Amino acid sequence: DGGITQSPKYLFRKEGQNVTLSCEQNLNHDAMYWYRQDPGQGLRLIYYSQIVNDFQKGDIAEGYSVSREKKESFPLTVTSAQKNPTAFYLCASSIGTSGDTQYFGPGTRLTVL
Amino acid sequence: AQSVTQLDSQVPVFEEAPVELRCNYSSSVSVYLFWYVQYPNQGLQLLLKYLSGSTLVKGINGFEAEFNKSQTSFHLRKPSVHISDTAEYFCAVSRGSYIPTFGRGTSLIVHP
Repeated sequence: DGGITQSPKYLFRKEGQNVTLSCEQNLNHDAMYWYRQDPGQGLRLIYYSQIVNDFQKGDIAEGYSVSREKKESFPLTVTSAQKNPTAFYLCASSIGTSGDTQYFGPGTRLTVL
Repeated sequence: AQSVTQLDSQVPVFEEAPVELRCNYSSSVSVYLFWYVQYPNQGLQLLLKYLSGSTLVKGINGFEAEFNKSQTSFHLRKPSVHISDTAEYFCAVSRGSYIPTFGRGTSLIVHP
């Protein structure tokens, strides 16, 4: 079955540690996205990539980094510079960006202790 | 710039009653409009979308939405809700090749 996988579902880290969230898709989509979700704030775009080896900052990129070395993979690193990293992180992909449906993964809930 | 406003953060309703979740957007040009649903601790999935053509769009699970250009609205409706419709609903807008912008979400709570 085609889809998007995110791992792990729950992640705990100590303050000051970097952590990498995995996102893989087998839909052959060109575009991939990372969103952060906090209660009452909807989805906020962290980074997106429209093609391999290229990515753009979203609205809240500070304290995060990404890479897009393969079409199917778009990992997100939450660095120690991110002041409030505890949140629910969602990865998505789409064929392109113009009116295309986004397909979301199940999410990773990150808790920084 | 594009933005989207979901006017209600929470909508409580009894089972089998009709429901409308409101969404307004701001854009001076043609837009694409989406409604997504999120069940607890899951990702989002598409309910329906408007790209062009008929202003009444039908989606999955009996939902429909009407695109109203003069009022810049895209309200989501269902004539009779079920307990299983309890979820978070997100409206999103995009134009051209821009990345979609999401609203803050509306929590639909269906009571028995």
